[in-house]
This record gives sequence, structure tokens and C-alpha cells, in this order.
Amino acid sequence: GQQLNQSPQSMFIQEGEDVSMNCTSSSIFNTWLWYKQDPGEGPVLLIALYKAGELTSNGRLTAQFGITRKDSFLNISASIPSDVGIYFCAGLETSGSRLTFGEGTQLTVNP
Amino acid sequence: DTEVTQTPKHLVMGMTNKKSLKCEQHMGHRAMYWYKQKAKKPPELMFVYSYEKLSINESVPSRFSPECPNSSLLNLHLHALQPEDSALYLCASSQVNLVSYNEQFFGPGTRLTVL
Repeated sequence: GQQLNQSPQSMFIQEGEDVSMNCTSSSIFNTWLWYKQDPGEGPVLLIALYKAGELTSNGRLTAQFGITRKDSFLNISASIPSDVGIYFCAGLETSGSRLTFGEGTQLTVNP
Repeated sequence: DTEVTQTPKHLVMGMTNKKSLKCEQHMGHRAMYWYKQKAKKPPELMFVYSYEKLSINESVPSRFSPECPNSSLLNLHLHALQPEDSALYLCASSQVNLVSYNEQFFGPGTRLTVL
């Protein structure tokens, strides 16, 4: 089946620093999604990307859909303590309902 | 309303019990999903309902039985579970147009513990 390689697995940063994480795939996806999950809660959709090359922002978050449709990155600028959590990328195929998830990036922000 | 709700928030059950998890959405989405998630791992797909019909069963053991009574509700019936079934169970929904599925929105999950 398809696999997403998400990196880094974990990040420890100081408050105010910028963060970057990315996902790569051996297959093409039609849609790239980025979710954040807090402990004991469900994933919350942060950004959805629909077109190759698309660059989308949501507040301090910016994500891009790679030109090859096989990769995506998420940047967080000026991190704050509430950014702590696990960030998952997910790819949605052209036809079909299955999401393929990355393994997640655990973000820790030291105040 | 952009919310998916799940009840209960927490559930503890014995291996001989029968219980049900409930999920509800009022976004008009016609696809609904059940996922199982272990700690620090991504969600694993269990079932997909599309237009109230079961379209995907990811070889889930029969002790998990899904039900979609209408387009807004999704249930997961549990019977004779094992301790290894303890996990966070997530419901999600998405819009669907024929075979084109959109982004999924997740509920807060039910934390299930099987003793």
C-alpha cells in the first residue's frame, strides 16, 4: 500500500522559533491535509491543499502542495506553547475515501 | 455547524460486556468513518460508510459491528472485546460527490479501556 514518510519524528524548540515539517510519498495524491492532535483529543484539520503548487496560510501556519503531488510541507512561524502536539500529514487519493497518514511529528515548545 | 460529536468520552468495559459508541454530524456529509488509534500512532481506518451503505471494512474482527441508522448518525457496537482493543476510537465525516471524497473532519474520540 501507499506510505507517507513524515519528518522529523519529533522536535524540541524554544518559544518564538519557526518550525518546518514535511511529508513525502512514493505515490501521487489528489489532496494533502495537515492535522494537529492534542493528547486525548481527535485530530483537528489545520490546512487542506487541493492543487499542485498551492501555497496556503492559516494564521501562523503555511503549507504547500508539492509540484510533483508527492510531497507537502508545513511551516509554523513564531511558535507558542499551545502549538505543542502531534502534527499529522495525510494524503487523499484521486478517487476513493482512504486517507494515508504520516507517522506524525511530535512538537514540544519550551517557554 | 462544523462539528462531529462522539459519546461517550470515556468507556471502561469488561470482555463480556456489550456497549455502543455513537457519532453524530450535522454538516450534511454523506461519508462517515470509524478509526482506531493507539498512543502516538496515526489513526487506522476500520470502516467507511458512503450514502449510509458500508463501503469499506478493513478486515475488522466481527466483535466490532458498525451501523449507520441515517446520514447524520454512526454507531459502533462492541461485544466480547479483548484488552488489546483498548484505544482511542475516532469518528470522522466528509463530503462526497459520487466517487470524489473531500477532507475528513474528526470527532473528539472515545477512550475505550477493556479490562
